[in-house]
Amino acid sequence: AQTVTQSQPEMSVQEAETVTLSCTYDTSESDYYLFWYKQPPSRQMILVIRQEAYKQQNATENRFSVNFQKAAKSFSLKISDSQLGDAAMYFCAYKGDRDDKIIFGKGTRLHILP
Amino acid sequence: AAGVIQSPRHLIKEKRETATLKCYPIPRHDTVYWYQQGPGQDPQFLISFYEKMQSDKGSIPDRFSAQQFSDYHSELNMSSLELGDSALYFCASSLAGTAGNTIYFGEGSWLTVV
Repeated sequence: AQTVTQSQPEMSVQEAETVTLSCTYDTSESDYYLFWYKQPPSRQMILVIRQEAYKQQNATENRFSVNFQKAAKSFSLKISDSQLGDAAMYFCAYKGDRDDKIIFGKGTRLHILP
Repeated sequence: AAGVIQSPRHLIKEKRETATLKCYPIPRHDTVYWYQQGPGQDPQFLISFYEKMQSDKGSIPDRFSAQQFSDYHSELNMSSLELGDSALYFCASSLAGTAGNTIYFGEGSWLTVV
């Protein structure tokens, strides 16, 4: 069975600084997708960024980028120029190519220090 | 852009009562998912439907049932409610075959069982 592990329950970063959230996963599949979702205090689940496993190039969305290491099964999220609005719970998630559902990690709560 | 619509947003029920949550997926999306998120937990997959047929099943209690209708909206029915059913229930949708089958979440329905 696939698993997603986020080893950092909480992290803090100074406003305008850069922070990296870690995520590792375990799978025997070769084709899959990885996601980072953000859940602010409103509890809405917002897609931040997506990575297809067959793509070697790391995905980037404005201030958000990932470091995807397929061999190491690692998928970290880097947030540059952190803003107060980035404070939220961040979930790493996995979806197999033949699966419908996505599997979430336990989440990392990110605090932004003014 | 239209998003996933869930109703009601908040619901309070007593133990042993029945509750029904509704979900309207993003237009043209053919797959609907239901997730349950307890306090301080990651979302847990309950069930999914593709083209009105159940496509996958997760940790959904036997007291719960769901279906997807001809207009692609879905309903989650929960009977004999227990205190432990108090949670945030997400509906999500995706379009099969699109890149990553990215899953988009609604804002969730808060169920409180008293």
